Amino acid sequence: DTAVSQTPKYLVTQMGNDKSIKCEQNLGHDTMYWYKQDSKKFLKIMFSYNNKELIINETVPNRFSPKSPDKAHLNLHINSLELGDSAVYFCASSPFGRGGNEQFFGPGTRLTVL
Amino acid sequence: AQSVSQHNHHVILSEAASLELGCNYSYGGTVNLFWYVQYPGQHLQLLLKYFSGDPLVKGIKGFEAEFIKSKFSFNLRKPSVQWSDTAEYFCAVFSGTASKLTFGTGTRLQVTL
Repeated sequence: DTAVSQTPKYLVTQMGNDKSIKCEQNLGHDTMYWYKQDSKKFLKIMFSYNNKELIINETVPNRFSPKSPDKAHLNLHINSLELGDSAVYFCASSPFGRGGNEQFFGPGTRLTVL
Repeated sequence: AQSVSQHNHHVILSEAASLELGCNYSYGGTVNLFWYVQYPGQHLQLLLKYFSGDPLVKGIKGFEAEFIKSKFSFNLRKPSVQWSDTAEYFCAVFSGTASKLTFGTGTRLQVTL
C-alpha cells in the first residue's frame, strides 16, 4: 500500500504549456507539502497545506498554484511552463499539523520542459 | 533565517570503512533534527530523527547521529558502510518559529567494492 503517491511519475512537455501533478496520501495526515529538487539535488519547500489551508508559500512564482480539495490530496498546477521549471517535484505529508514530525515523501515527479 | 550546512558534498569510501557526514544548522531555538536518505531513483526515506532526550540517536540500517547543541551539529555516522549505502544523504532541521523543514544541500555517498 503506497502511503504517499504522485502522478504522473514522468512529465515531458513544451514551454508555455500548463500541467498538473497530483498527490494523495492515505496516512491520515493533516499536513501536506510540495518540494522542488533541482538538478543539484537541492530540496526546497514550495508550499505547505494544513487541513486544506495554505500555511507556507515560499516565494514561488504565481504560475504555480496548489490546490487541496481535501486533506488527503494536494495537487500542483503549473501555468506557462518555463525551462527552469524542469526538476523533480516531491509531495510529502506529516501528522500533527506543522511538520515538526517526520515527513513522508512520495516517489517524485520528474518534470522536463523542452 | 535558518540554514543547514552539509560541508561534504561528495564522499567516496570503500566497503567496511567508517562514515561520518557533517551537518550544522544556524537556528538557536528548539529544533527537531532529521537525516533522510535518497537511494538512486527513489524518494526520500527517514534514517533517524532527534526531538529530545538522549542526544545519540540510532536509526535504521546501522546509522546513528549525535546532537551536539553547543556546536549546532547533528552528524551522521556508521561504523562500517556497505555498497548498498550508496545514496544521497540529507540533513534537515525543523524549527517551530519557521514552521518548515529546511534541508541541507545533501551529501552524495559513493561506496566502492
